[in-house]
Amino acid sequence: IQLTQSPSSLSASVGDRVTITCRASQDIDIYLAWYQQKPGKAPKLLIYSASTLQSGVPSRFSGSGSGTDFTLTISSLQPEDFASYYCQQLSDFPRTFGPGTKVDIK
Amino acid sequence: EVQLVQSGAEVKKPGESLKISCKGSGYKFNSYWIGWVRQMPGKGLEWMGIIYPDDSDTRYSPSFQGQVTMSADKSISTAYLQWSSLKASDTAIYYCARQDVLCGGRCYGYFDFWGQGTLVTVSS
Repeated sequence: IQLTQSPSSLSASVGDRVTITCRASQDIDIYLAWYQQKPGKAPKLLIYSASTLQSGVPSRFSGSGSGTDFTLTISSLQPEDFASYYCQQLSDFPRTFGPGTKVDIK
Repeated sequence: EVQLVQSGAEVKKPGESLKISCKGSGYKFNSYWIGWVRQMPGKGLEWMGIIYPDDSDTRYSPSFQGQVTMSADKSISTAYLQWSSLKASDTAIYYCARQDVLCGGRCYGYFDFWGQGTLVTVSS
C-alpha cells in the first residue's frame, strides 16, 4: 500500500490552522496513525485508528478520515509544533509510512 | 515508565558485520512486538519489520528481507537488528519501537514508544 502526503512542506505562523492530507493507494478503513518528528529526535505517536488521540497529546491535534483519504489538523499552531509529520498505514504488511510533511515557520 | 534504550552509534567499513540492540523496560517485554524503522540521512521513515520477543515470530518488509536479521532475547528484554555484510547505503539512523495492538473487527498495531535511535555510518 502506497501513501502520499500533501503538501510535502508548508510554512505557517503561530496560531494558524494547519491541515495535512494523507492518501492511501487502496482502502485501509481507519487503520492509520500519525507521528510527529522533531529534528534529531525519535518520532512520537500523535494519533492512531485515524482519529484517536494518543494519551498526553494536546487536543489541538485531531485526525479524521477513513478508506483512502485522511487528514491531520492542528487547530492553532504552537511554536513546539514545527516539525515533520508522517502518516503510517496499519492495514497490511509492510506497514508503510507516508513521505512526510515538514511544517516550518513563516 | 516504558523505555526503549538503544545501543550507541557505530562506524563500520563496507563488508563488516554489525548487531545493534534495543533494551525494553517498564513493561512486559515478551508481550509486545518490537519494530525497526530506518531513516536515511535527510529522508523519511521506512518500516523494516517487527518481531515478537516471546516466540521470535517476525514480519519483514520485502525491501529488507534478506538484508537484515531481527532477533530477540526475552531473558534480557532486548531486541537486535543485525547485518552480515554492511554497505554504504546502510548508513542511516535505526529506530526500534514498541508496537501496541488494538483488536476490534481485526487486530492492528501502531508504534507507541520509540527508542532514541542508533546512527550507523558505513564508510571506507
